[in-house]
Amino acid sequence: AQKVTQAQTEISVVEKEDVTLDCVYETRDTTYYLFWYKQPPSGELVFLIRRNSFDEQNEISGRYSWNFQKSTSSFNFTITASQVVDSAVYFCPLFGRGTDKLIFGTGTRLQVFP
Amino acid sequence: DVKVTQSSRYLVKRTGEKVFLECVQDMDHENMFWYRQDPGLGLRLIYFSYDVKMKEKGDIPEGYSVSREKKERFSLILESASTNQTSMYLCASIDGQGARSTEAFFGQGTRLTVV
Repeated sequence: AQKVTQAQTEISVVEKEDVTLDCVYETRDTTYYLFWYKQPPSGELVFLIRRNSFDEQNEISGRYSWNFQKSTSSFNFTITASQVVDSAVYFCPLFGRGTDKLIFGTGTRLQVFP
Repeated sequence: DVKVTQSSRYLVKRTGEKVFLECVQDMDHENMFWYRQDPGLGLRLIYFSYDVKMKEKGDIPEGYSVSREKKERFSLILESASTNQTSMYLCASIDGQGARSTEAFFGQGTRLTVV
């Protein structure tokens, strides 16, 4: 079976705080992709990153960083020095190359207060 | 620069009507998907397709069917619309081999209201 769990339903922080969004996945596919998408109040899905199953390198892009650990089936996302514009719902979908399914968790709503 | 296009942004239909939602992508992707998004439930997979004429049930296929007669077009059909199918519907496509593009692309969504 294929599953994505984002256990944090909602997180509230004050601007400039660091925040980590958790993502745990399950899949029987040996080759898969993990993504992070941001969905602001306007509704469109904004691509942030993709990681392939064979590439466990962590990534940093400005205030954003991602920690991919196959040993714990996790792909966590950290925002450093959060800003009000980071307020959105965040999803970490999983695509399995064997099953051809792209599945989502329930998302994490992040609210950043000034 | 539009990559995934859904035929309607808003639709209002009556209970019992047959409803067609169309999705077209211009990236030659094999893999296409239909989701519904409801508050607090994330995006739930209705149906997906990995090739022309190929379709697979997702997690919530009841009350829906799909058609993929051409590679670029993936249609979602509500055979007899019911009020519990009122939702936001999203179409997506992806390069399943991962060679040509990195991300999954999404349409702008169709907000369907069944009255």
